[in-house]
Amino acid sequence: QQPVQSPQAVILREGEDAVINCSSSKALYSVHWYRQKHGEAPVFLMILLKGGEQKGHDKISASFNEKKQQSSLYLTASQLSYSGTYFCGTELESNTGKLIFGQGTTLQVKP
Amino acid sequence: DVKVTQSSRYLVKRTGEKVFLECVQDMDHENMFWYRQDPGLGLRLIYFSYDVKMKEKGDIPEGYSVSREKKERFSLILESASTNQTSMYLCASSLVTPGKQYFGPGTRLLVL
Repeated sequence: QQPVQSPQAVILREGEDAVINCSSSKALYSVHWYRQKHGEAPVFLMILLKGGEQKGHDKISASFNEKKQQSSLYLTASQLSYSGTYFCGTELESNTGKLIFGQGTTLQVKP
Repeated sequence: DVKVTQSSRYLVKRTGEKVFLECVQDMDHENMFWYRQDPGLGLRLIYFSYDVKMKEKGDIPEGYSVSREKKERFSLILESASTNQTSMYLCASSLVTPGKQYFGPGTRLLVL
């Protein structure tokens, strides 16, 4: 039931782009993305509801393909501050708030 | 800004002890959650609560119980701590479902 994130880890140079994928074997109601920096609490990035949504703020955006039961997080022109572990959380039933998180993708941005 | 606080950042307990982890949020959120985080496994939901005195099991409730007597406070109880419960415990709250979850700083529990 746990969604699978890929890649597990990625190293970038500042200014490069990255894509993090989140795939589920079950139908999804919503997908949530969080970022956690080392030693800190996870911080919310965005929620996508079923319906093929695409969202974004600043240079971080995401898409949700309901038919494929997957979501992708796009990080454009990465900055040092983007470093951390990214988690997708999937909601299988509507309005429960119950999230099943993936194992995480560690992103390291180097100068 | 929403603040979620957890009673301890670090805790060391002995096997068999009863352990209480406290979580308090200051924004009148209806929903509260307890997760444990282990390397390579992500965050796993232990219990959650939609309202006072309401609780729902998450994915790994075995060995845990919860209490929510007041809206702002959600407690996680390890009835008899075991070494396999050594982990980082994170509390979160949200206003709506599905909604942005605000996480506390976490409690790193070591059971010896």
